[in-house]
Amino acid sequence: GAVVSQHPSWVICKSGTSVKIECRSLDFQATTMFWYRQFPKQSLMLMATSNEGSKATYEQGVEKDKFLINHASLTLSTLTVTSAHPEDSSFYICSANSLKLGQGRSATFGSGTRLTVV
Amino acid sequence: QKEVEQNSGPLSVPEGAIASLNCTYSDRGSQSFFWYRQYSGKSPELIMFIYSNGDKEDGRFTAQLNKASQYVSLLIRDSQPSDSATYLCAGGGFQKLVFGTGTRLLVSP
Repeated sequence: GAVVSQHPSWVICKSGTSVKIECRSLDFQATTMFWYRQFPKQSLMLMATSNEGSKATYEQGVEKDKFLINHASLTLSTLTVTSAHPEDSSFYICSANSLKLGQGRSATFGSGTRLTVV
Repeated sequence: QKEVEQNSGPLSVPEGAIASLNCTYSDRGSQSFFWYRQYSGKSPELIMFIYSNGDKEDGRFTAQLNKASQYVSLLIRDSQPSDSATYLCAGGGFQKLVFGTGTRLLVSP
């Protein structure tokens, strides 16, 4: 149980274009979804937290107009990287959590999306 | 600034040995702690979580938490080459986890 699906697993796009990444909770309703970014040899950095039906909360230094997050339902959140630039190339990972998963249960991670901007 | 600190390694151990991974955290308000394993190019997978002082065992893995010292550790018994990965320590609550930079473990045959 608690499976999170993330698509696409990799994407190459041209500089200046936009890329949308989807994160779905398959067998549970995700109260909260998180978006992380991970550069090579670095740890996961939280970009934003989103609760279904409300605006995402962005971490300091993350441009909300560049990284658009939509959490329209309890099973789907999307991250759109707008006007992508080579420095946005990274590994983007979503995770989802639900209070119903129980105490101590951590967020379940999607498989990640490798974004390369050329 | 809430921080989770880990030694980046690599930590090298021979096959069959015990690997000991350590983590310290700064936020005394953190409720739960998690150990994730991350293979290169993959997303993290949960190994264990712990929220009470003491030890918690699951198969070859034992997590230890000392809230007074703000210290978390993960022991891997009978290490296997397939255990070679980066191990991430994370602390926090339901809404937000703070991750350490990870410790790279190398288990040699």
